[in-house]
Amino acid sequence: AQSVTQPDIHITVSEGASLELRCNYSYGATPYLFWYVQSPGQGLQLLLKYFSGDTLVQGIKGFEAEFKRSQSSFNLRKPSVHWSDAAEYFCAVGSLYGGSQGNLIFGKGTKLSVKP
Amino acid sequence: EADIYQTPRYLVIGTGKKITLECSQTMGHDKMYWYQQDPGMELHLIHYSYGVNSTEKGDLSSESTVSRIRTEHFPLTLESARPSHTSQYLCASSGFDYGYTFGSGTRLTVV
Repeated sequence: AQSVTQPDIHITVSEGASLELRCNYSYGATPYLFWYVQSPGQGLQLLLKYFSGDTLVQGIKGFEAEFKRSQSSFNLRKPSVHWSDAAEYFCAVGSLYGGSQGNLIFGKGTKLSVKP
Repeated sequence: EADIYQTPRYLVIGTGKKITLECSQTMGHDKMYWYQQDPGMELHLIHYSYGVNSTEKGDLSSESTVSRIRTEHFPLTLESARPSHTSQYLCASSGFDYGYTFGSGTRLTVV
């Protein structure tokens, strides 16, 4: 069955420190992978996406993610976190030819808190 | 600038009232979705549509209904609101690249 796992429910980092949010997926077809960010009371905003090609993708707000097929992972990284990065982060997977009628499958989210 | 619009942003309504949450997009996307999300929690897909006159129920059972008479419009209706319907409702659409664009959400409180 297709699934997305974000192992960390809540992460706290100090401002200026580096960040890595983990995402693992189980998907039978070639996946499309996404990271979204959600500020409190808002909708989700797309940070970056991977379809094919270079496995290191750059996104908005200084975020990047690396697709590792052998580990079924798509971890999100940022070299230096800013207080404004505090939010909920969702990983999602989909496929043009896969299950779930082509709908994205979302992880349960990781809440990021930033310490001054 | 948002290309998908949800109204109202906030709604407080009494038990038993009928409500319609509006969602419109200007991108010409065929696929549209409704998610229910409690604060700080995961997304639950409640309805989706692949085009005009197409509607399907999602993974989470919901007492709401949807319609898709026009490509750009995907309203969600609750015939009789209950306190258990209190939640945030997010609308999204997707085009050929399968990335979703989300609206800002409607926060519904039923008292």
